[in-house]
Amino acid sequence: DVVMTQSPLSLPVTLGQPASISCRSSQSLVYTDGNTYLSWFQQRPGQSPRRLIYKVSNRDSGVPDRFSGSGSGTDFTLKISRVEAEDVGVYYCMQDTHRPPTFGGGTKVEIK
Amino acid sequence: QVQLVESGGGVVQPGRSLRLSCAASGFIFSSHAMHWVRQAPGKGLEWVAIISHDAFNQYYADSVKGRFTISRDNSKNTLYLQMISLRVEDTAVFYCARGSGTWGFDQWGQGTLVTVSS
Repeated sequence: DVVMTQSPLSLPVTLGQPASISCRSSQSLVYTDGNTYLSWFQQRPGQSPRRLIYKVSNRDSGVPDRFSGSGSGTDFTLKISRVEAEDVGVYYCMQDTHRPPTFGGGTKVEIK
Repeated sequence: QVQLVESGGGVVQPGRSLRLSCAASGFIFSSHAMHWVRQAPGKGLEWVAIISHDAFNQYYADSVKGRFTISRDNSKNTLYLQMISLRVEDTAVFYCARGSGTWGFDQWGQGTLVTVSS
């Protein structure tokens, strides 16, 4: 299985400041069709996960543009340009290029 | 809007069985693959199983293969997960999720808690 490694584990951020989460895969996530199937999910406290980003950099409908995804191959990043209080939660990267789909261990974003 | 509502969770003894359901609405259910994903208390996310849109194909995580069966009834817009020989380590919130892309998913339900305990 593809191992997804996220860092940091915990990310204390000041409101209005940027935040960045790294995700690394144990093998390339480029699929045979040329796409890279790497998604980011947000899980707020007590809620189910919500997809924010798919195929590395595409924002889902309704996701604020302060969230952005980038990367290629095996290295990916989720950035929040200015953290707001509602962004508190755990963020997971997930690959679905290879079966089975696998998740990173999660990064907990909290307000300082 | 897309709605996925899981049910069937509860407390069950090790070795017993349980069947989860997921009622879907707000989209063409028969056009999408569907998944089950679980989350042990205080832990991360683990993919469990997928079923193709037409129910012809199913795939499972190694941790549940031979014990869990995913199925669907497109006439009822409902997804199922039959779980047998449950273990303490199966304790988790089980989410159903709508398939998207290759093996991915976009929309999630609110989850149903399964507790395996003697």
